[in-house]
Amino acid sequence: DQQVKQNSPSLSVQEGRISILNCDYTNSMFDYFLWYKKYPAEGPTFLISISSIKDKNEDGRFTVFLNKSAKHLSLHIVPSQPGDSAVYFCAAHLRGGGSNYKLTFGKGTLLTVNP
Amino acid sequence: NAGVTQTPKFQVLKTGQSMTLQCAQDMNHNSMYWYRQDPGMGLRLIYYSASEGTTDKGEVPNGYNVSRLNKREFSLRLESAAPSQTSVYFCASRVEHYEQYFGPGTRLTVT
Repeated sequence: DQQVKQNSPSLSVQEGRISILNCDYTNSMFDYFLWYKKYPAEGPTFLISISSIKDKNEDGRFTVFLNKSAKHLSLHIVPSQPGDSAVYFCAAHLRGGGSNYKLTFGKGTLLTVNP
Repeated sequence: NAGVTQTPKFQVLKTGQSMTLQCAQDMNHNSMYWYRQDPGMGLRLIYYSASEGTTDKGEVPNGYNVSRLNKREFSLRLESAAPSQTSVYFCASRVEHYEQYFGPGTRLTVT
């Protein structure tokens, strides 16, 4: 049973426009959420995160929004650039895991930004 | 700092062969993780080590063993490789809070 879901396998946007990547989760015990970006033949790299006590976190062109009542988070990229083309993974940490700090990942969304 | 390094980058095995994937980090992190990435499946946790001397199973541990040799190194062993273990394997270490830093990956094909 998948606890972190990214229902859109792919997304295509025009350069300069907004990209919105979505992530839904089922477990209300998740207390921290992260977004990772992955280019082909490379490891995932951390992008931005948000604690469950917040509803928004911003870092330059990237903003993550958290709607706890809907168990939904989204990553907004404004403006989108061709270099943003990559697979984006949503990940979540389960409260009460002690010192293991394990993350549960979604299946990823392939973002393509067209020039 | 090299960050997280993984060897080898590529490997082809025949069914039944064994091999060890090596991972090392030079950032003095306590926690380390092994994931596999398969098309359409995202990243799935195989094993993790919360600290030196401890290891625990993740979501998909069957067919694998791990060793946390010291604080720097965390290896993943396939005792008898199967085609279902064809995947890209990533090692990661925990930076701070919940952020993990990933290595470049090992692409393994089992024929």
